[in-house]
Amino acid sequence: AQSVTQLGSHVSVSEGALVLLRCNYSSSVPPYLFWYVQYPNQGLQLLLKYTSAATLVKGINGFEAEFKKSETSFHLTKPSAHMRDAAEYFCAVSASGGYQKVTFGTGTKLQVIP
Amino acid sequence: KAGVTQTPRYLIKTRGQQVTLSCSPISGHRSVSWYQQTPGQGLQFLFEYFSETQRNKGNFPGRFSGRQFSNSRSEMNVSTLELGDSALYLCASSKEDRNYGYTFGSGTRLTVV
Repeated sequence: AQSVTQLGSHVSVSEGALVLLRCNYSSSVPPYLFWYVQYPNQGLQLLLKYTSAATLVKGINGFEAEFKKSETSFHLTKPSAHMRDAAEYFCAVSASGGYQKVTFGTGTKLQVIP
Repeated sequence: KAGVTQTPRYLIKTRGQQVTLSCSPISGHRSVSWYQQTPGQGLQFLFEYFSETQRNKGNFPGRFSGRQFSNSRSEMNVSTLELGDSALYLCASSKEDRNYGYTFGSGTRLTVV
């Protein structure tokens, strides 16, 4: 069984400030981890993924995430927030190997204050 | 390169009716997954198809069904609609190995009245 927990359903940051969105996972086997972003009235877009290579993963739009096995975490960060980053962000987990379904977290809405 | 196309974008149906939603994946993607998104439940996995075979299924009642055609296009059907079926239905395609990550369509917004 696998699951993800996203801490904070809403996060507000000032434009130019650090963005930190938290994600903790639970998986009985080595996981694959993903972050997706969803803008209003759109589907989800893949930001980045961890598939057991480098633990620090860089994605699109300046986002990155670090896989920490000891903390079972995969937090999403961006050094400087832009207004265009305002969206909902979803962490997701899949068991590595074979054809495993992807389980999504409940999402975190990021508000960027000018 | 065309993205994942879902039709229609919006639907309004009456309780008790049935509905069919369509999804065309990215060319070359053979896996299609369906998710239901609601404010209360978030993203819930419905099912996944690969080469016309259902490979995984979520915990939804039998009123929810799907299929995939030889060209990888997929449809999902919901029979005997209930008010609680109102949601955004998202289709996602991927290459054979799902772990490359999904490409999502823009979704079909279903409203049941």
